[in-house]
Amino acid sequence: QVQLQESGPGLVKPSQTLSLTCTVSGGSISTDDNYWTWIRQSPGKGLEWIGYIYFRGSTYYNPSLESRVTISVDTSKNQFSLNLRSVTAADTAIYYCVSQDSTNYFFDFWGQGALVTVSS
Amino acid sequence: DIQMTQSPSSLSASVGDRLTITCRADQSINTYLNWYQQKPGKAPNLLVFHASTLQSGVPSRFSGSGSGTHFTLTISSLQPEDFATYYCQQSHTTPLTFGGGTKVEIK
Repeated sequence: QVQLQESGPGLVKPSQTLSLTCTVSGGSISTDDNYWTWIRQSPGKGLEWIGYIYFRGSTYYNPSLESRVTISVDTSKNQFSLNLRSVTAADTAIYYCVSQDSTNYFFDFWGQGALVTVSS
Repeated sequence: DIQMTQSPSSLSASVGDRLTITCRADQSINTYLNWYQQKPGKAPNLLVFHASTLQSGVPSRFSGSGSGTHFTLTISSLQPEDFATYYCQQSHTTPLTFGGGTKVEIK
């Protein structure tokens, strides 16, 4: 069974870049069956899909965040990463890395989540 | 974006109750609708995909139905471990979107 684990700073200053990495274990990130996805959850906005990456590098981002988001993949390390630029307090949330079924677009495996607070 | 609306937003129920949660989409999504359960401090967990297909390992007391814009998640006999928040998610159109959640509490 695939397992995912987020890592990265829990505190980011306003206007800086939020960076998180997800390590995938129990399966290869280089699979056609899954996209590798970031989702965040905050009290104010609920669950918000940020975007995904395919192991060959193609990406799709939520248009609401597209101007500030980059998702990248490192197949040699079985990892994928999130960068969110120019953060504000509104970006404070629990960030989940998730495997997304590439055919039916449901989310079958989730990391435990990483709380990221944006504050000076 | 496709807007997903769940009702009720919260409810109180007793062990053994039959429970139905509703999710509506603001446009037709065929059967591209998934349900998740989330317990406090944990990530959501997939229960049902494609409106009515139970994810492997999910108890048979859970069932999903619906198509188009109206969907339901039913728990036939509520168990203590079912007290949680439930979310629907549409997988018809990107950006993928979620409902606001239904919190099921103990009466």
